[in-house]
Parts: sequence; C-alpha cells; structure tokens
Amino acid sequence: DQQVKQNSPSLSVQEGRISILNCDYTNSMFDYFLWYKKYPAEGPTFLISISSIKDKNEDGRFTVFLNKSAKHLSLHIVPSQPGDSAVYFCAASGNSGYALNFGKGTSLLVTP
Amino acid sequence: NAGVTQTPKFRVLKTGQSMTLLCAQDMNHEYMYWYRQDPGMGLRLIHYSVGEGTTAKGEVPDGYNVSRLKKQNFLLGLESAAPSQTSVYFCASTQGNPEAFFGQGTRLTVV
Repeated sequence: DQQVKQNSPSLSVQEGRISILNCDYTNSMFDYFLWYKKYPAEGPTFLISISSIKDKNEDGRFTVFLNKSAKHLSLHIVPSQPGDSAVYFCAASGNSGYALNFGKGTSLLVTP
Repeated sequence: NAGVTQTPKFRVLKTGQSMTLLCAQDMNHEYMYWYRQDPGMGLRLIHYSVGEGTTAKGEVPDGYNVSRLKKQNFLLGLESAAPSQTSVYFCASTQGNPEAFFGQGTRLTVV
C-alpha cells in the first residue's frame, strides 16, 4: 500500500512563475521528509528536506512546507526556471535504517 | 570523489540466468540501499544494510539476495532472473540521516 502519494503525475508552469508540487502521506511514524529531483537516465539527487518538528524549510528558490495534522507537504519553486524541468519525488523516512518511502513522482515542465 | 558507482549500467538477461549488480561508495557511509523503479512507480526498497556484514529486507525482497562483505560495497544478486525483474535499479548510501546519495542506475531487461 502506497504510504507516500503524489497525486499529480505532471505539472506545467511558465518560466518565472511559482511551481507547487504536492505530497500526502499516511504513516504517522514518518518523521523526516525529503524531495528528490531526477533527470532522465540519472539517479535521484537530493533537493531539500524537512524534519517533522518544523513546518517550513527554505533553500534558495526552494521551500518545503509541512502540515503534520493534514499529513501533507508541498514543494514551492520560485521563480521556476527551464532547468527545473525534471521528475520530483517526495520521500519520507521513519523506519529503521533511514530507508526512504517514495511517491510515484511528479513530472515538472517549465516552459520559456 | 566518485560518490556512488553502479556496475553495470545496462544488462540484458535471459529468463533463468543469474547476475550480480555491484554498488560501490567512496564516502565511508554506513548505510546502503537497493531500490528498484518501474514505469509510473516510485522507487521501492529491495534490501538495505546498516553496516558491514549486515543486511535486511525491504518492501520487495523476493527473488533477490544481497551481501555487504566490505563497507564500501553492496552487492545485489538475482539467482534466477524473471521478466518481472525488468526494472531500473538504484543503489544509495548515507552516513546516518535520510539524505541518501544515489548512483546513476542500472537498467536491467529480462527476456
């Protein structure tokens, strides 16, 4: 059963605008949440994370928001750039060994 | 500093053949993982290791075996390959937090 859900398979945004990617989770034991970015034929690369004791984490153009009561997190990219076009995976950890539970990914296309 | 290196990058197997995928990391990480990614799916955990000499099952371990004889290497074995094991395999490592580093992937096709 999918414990991390990304319900939007794809998203298209114009360059300069905000991209908002959403993620929901079901397991209350998750205590750390991450976003990974993946280009075709490459491995995922870590983008940004947030601990369950926080509700916001910011790194440059990227901000992750966590709503624990709703079991929901989102990634905001402002402003969006064509180089941001990739698949974004939401992931959560809380199990032993820091293993990650991944969502199915959202393919972001930023158009000029 | 290569990070996480997977060998091979591509492989085609016949049903019933065996093979081993090698993952090597040069960051002295304790934790290593094998995931598989199928079309339209996220990455799913196959097996993982929390240190040299240890292994544990993940979400989808059936049909795979692993070994961690050296800290820097994590091997994934397929004893008798099946078409259902056609996938892209990713290895990852981390020292002690969830922010894992991933290899570039191995694309395996079983015919």
